[in-house]
Amino acid sequence: DIVMTQTPLSLSVTPGQPASISCKSSQSLLSSDGRTYLNWYLQKAGQPPQLLIYEVSNRFSGVPDRFSGSGSGTDFTLTVSRVEAEDVGVYYCMQGTHLPWTFGQGTKVEIK
Amino acid sequence: EVQLVESGGGLVQPGGSLRLSCAASGFTFSAYWMTWVRQAPGKGLVWVAHIKTDGSQSSYVDSVRGRFTISRDNAKNLVFLQMNSLRAEDTAIYYCAKYSGRAMDVWGQGTTVTVS
Repeated sequence: DIVMTQTPLSLSVTPGQPASISCKSSQSLLSSDGRTYLNWYLQKAGQPPQLLIYEVSNRFSGVPDRFSGSGSGTDFTLTVSRVEAEDVGVYYCMQGTHLPWTFGQGTKVEIK
Repeated sequence: EVQLVESGGGLVQPGGSLRLSCAASGFTFSAYWMTWVRQAPGKGLVWVAHIKTDGSQSSYVDSVRGRFTISRDNAKNLVFLQMNSLRAEDTAIYYCAKYSGRAMDVWGQGTTVTVS
């Protein structure tokens, strides 16, 4: 199974400051169809996960442009350019290239 | 509005069975793969299974293969997860999610399964 490793596991951020989360996979996530199925989700307290970024760098509908994704192969990053109070929660990366689909451990983001 | 509503969770003894349902609305259900993801108390997310648009193909995580079965009824816009031989470690919130072909883009609120 592909292991997804996120760092850090927790992050405390001052509002208005940037934040970045790293996600590394144990194998390349480049699919035979040329796409890289690396997605980012945010799970707010008591809620289901919500899709932020799909295929490395594409913002899902309605996601603010302060969220961006980058990377390739096995190394990926989610960046929030200016963290807002509503961004608190647990962020997960997930790979959908190889079965079984697997998630990172999650990164808990809180506001200072 | 695109919506997924899970039901069927509850308390079951080890070795028992449950059938989860997920009712979809607001989109062309038969055009999308559907998935189940679970989250044990205080833990992370685990993909459990997915099923192709016409139900002809499905995949499972190793820990449930042979015990769980995913199925769908495109006429009624429903996806199911039949769970047999339940274990304590199956205790979790089970989420139904729509797969866009690129990501799981719409999630239900989840249904809680407790095996004890």
